[in-house]
Amino acid sequence: GQQVMQIPQYQHVQEGEDFTTYCNSSTTLSNIQWYKQRPGGHPVFLIQLVKSGEVKKQKRLTFQFGEAKKNSSLHITATQTTDVGTYFCAATNTGNQFYFGTGTSLTVIP
Amino acid sequence: NAGVTQTPKFQVLKTGQSMTLQCAQDMNHEYMSWYRQDPGMGLRLIHYSVGAGITDQGEVPNGYNVSRSTTEDFPLRLLSAAPSQTSVYFCASNGGARNEQFFGPGTRLTVL
Repeated sequence: GQQVMQIPQYQHVQEGEDFTTYCNSSTTLSNIQWYKQRPGGHPVFLIQLVKSGEVKKQKRLTFQFGEAKKNSSLHITATQTTDVGTYFCAATNTGNQFYFGTGTSLTVIP
Repeated sequence: NAGVTQTPKFQVLKTGQSMTLQCAQDMNHEYMSWYRQDPGMGLRLIHYSVGAGITDQGEVPNGYNVSRSTTEDFPLRLLSAAPSQTSVYFCASNGGARNEQFFGPGTRLTVL
């Protein structure tokens, strides 16, 4: 199956600091999605990237898809306590099968 | 619009017992899937379905069966539960322009 590596596994930041999580694949991806899971909750869709080099923004969140479509990143500017949770990337190369990264657990220290 | 519903929310089984985890969606999505989530391993695909009557295996299908008799329902069956199947199970459906996956609330399963 598709291997999607995600780093770091954990990240602790002071409130107001920035945060970035990265996803990497050894093969070219068709698209990549990002999800957020709050503690005790279920994953919730954030965004989908399809085009090579694509950059999308949602308020303080910036999503990038690499030029070779083998990597992606999620950057949060000036973290808030509401950003706490685990962030997952999910990639597909064909069809509708999604392969999830292992996730990055974000802790925001007030 | 209830989205994706799962039952039960919690379940404790003994080794060797069988059970069915229920999943239903009311969004008329063709594609549905089952994942298990274990600490440090993200979500791993167990089985998926691209429409009624069509199912296929994901990354970790052993010990699980699925069927898709209707668009709405996609039950997951554990044939003979093992402690290694202790996990949180999520059902998801996806569709629409964004191909967004909608997840159910999950079933927390413990096998003793």
